[in-house]
Amino acid sequence: GESVGLHLPTLSVQEGDNSIINCAYSNSASDYFIWYKQESGKGPQFIIDIRSNMDKRQGQRVTVLLNKTVKHLSLQIAATQPGDSAVYFCAETSPYSSASKIIFGSGTRLSIRP
Amino acid sequence: NAGVTQTPKFQVLKTGQSMTLQCAQDMNHEYMSWYRQDPGMGLRLIHYSVGAGITDQGEVPNGYNVSRSTTEDFPLRLLSAAPSQTSVYFCASRSGTGKSYTFGSGTRLTVV
Repeated sequence: GESVGLHLPTLSVQEGDNSIINCAYSNSASDYFIWYKQESGKGPQFIIDIRSNMDKRQGQRVTVLLNKTVKHLSLQIAATQPGDSAVYFCAETSPYSSASKIIFGSGTRLSIRP
Repeated sequence: NAGVTQTPKFQVLKTGQSMTLQCAQDMNHEYMSWYRQDPGMGLRLIHYSVGAGITDQGEVPNGYNVSRSTTEDFPLRLLSAAPSQTSVYFCASRSGTGKSYTFGSGTRLTVV
């Protein structure tokens, strides 16, 4: 069937290399940011989050960097594996929006070369 | 735990038909939301709920209704389906203290 995200920007990375996926946000009041991973045919899955009072947060093989000055967020994946192939979304929320509202970016497709 | 369960997984409707997309969660989450996902456009919020009996509109609510009679269930109703509603629909939930949503596996809807 048709794959969601056919027209998304694509990042192609050699297996074993590091991947860096970038995201720009527009709301300077956003105070919480999340990265989601969406594999084909599945719903988004939480990867890692970061609050606005932090610049960097590390998880297992993943690191999120936040630059509030230029409103930029990045996700770094170390030693990229075939299982990392997916669409990656950043999401943001602010204390001024409804507690239930999380705004998603348009996503980046990560493709792994063997 | 089943998490967030959406039914059906696939659906084809004719223009003008109505239907209900089901969503149920077994995590006792207060917050539930419906998103639609179109190619190249990420996820857009349709409706959301902060608890049983409380719902509100998101970014793209037109053509959809929701209700939240129980904590567990948050059905999305299409009143009169249009081709523009062809999309993948995701239901998500989270607890009141958490900020990260748990998503269902989606319903792929085609309106012809």
